[in-house]
Amino acid sequence: QKEVEQNSGPLSVPEGAIASLNCTYSDRVSQSFFWYRQYSGKSPELIMSIYSNGDKEDGRFTAQLNKASQYVSLLIRDSQPSDSATYLCAGGLGSARQLTFGSGTQLTVLP
Amino acid sequence: GAVVSQHPSWVICKSGTSVKIECRSLDFQATTMFWYRQFPKQSLMLMATSNEGSKATYEQGVEKDKFLINHASLTLSTLTVTSAHPEDSSFYICASGGPPGYNEQFFGPGTRLTVL
Repeated sequence: QKEVEQNSGPLSVPEGAIASLNCTYSDRVSQSFFWYRQYSGKSPELIMSIYSNGDKEDGRFTAQLNKASQYVSLLIRDSQPSDSATYLCAGGLGSARQLTFGSGTQLTVLP
Repeated sequence: GAVVSQHPSWVICKSGTSVKIECRSLDFQATTMFWYRQFPKQSLMLMATSNEGSKATYEQGVEKDKFLINHASLTLSTLTVTSAHPEDSSFYICASGGPPGYNEQFFGPGTRLTVL
């Protein structure tokens, strides 16, 4: 089993809709999780971090963590064409502050 | 978040030459930096973890004699790709472990290496 698995997509949503991105993780992953956005040809940019069970909201983004189900998700409300990118889920790995990344989900927001 | 710079942003070199990539943390002292490689349409692959003043820890399958990492100061880590070959062509990205209290990693803008 991969340490972090994402629904690979691609995912297309119309402008203004809610985009839902999902990720599951293995027992090896510690209890810190991160969502990164990566535009084509660019490096990843941190969007959200979440450490505790439940929801964390930041603007149009909401991260959800369910430790019992080993599941973390990212919701993007009122999706905009500028949100079109690959979204990477990452989990902390061990005490060396390493991260393990999912394979990414490519999101396209259609105008 | 922390600001990380990387230089050069792109480089083209001939097979057999060496290329050095610099990664700087601009607004804090980074005791730990990470080097990743990303091939087209693939996810990030961690190459090595470098700690200031000590030897880097390489991931399995990464040749430490080919990918030389130096982290001589709290603001600078370098990756040297020695005797580069076309299969080394990739997007190399460094990341900083962030200041105390942050578990996130903050990425530099990346270096696109093309070996002819």
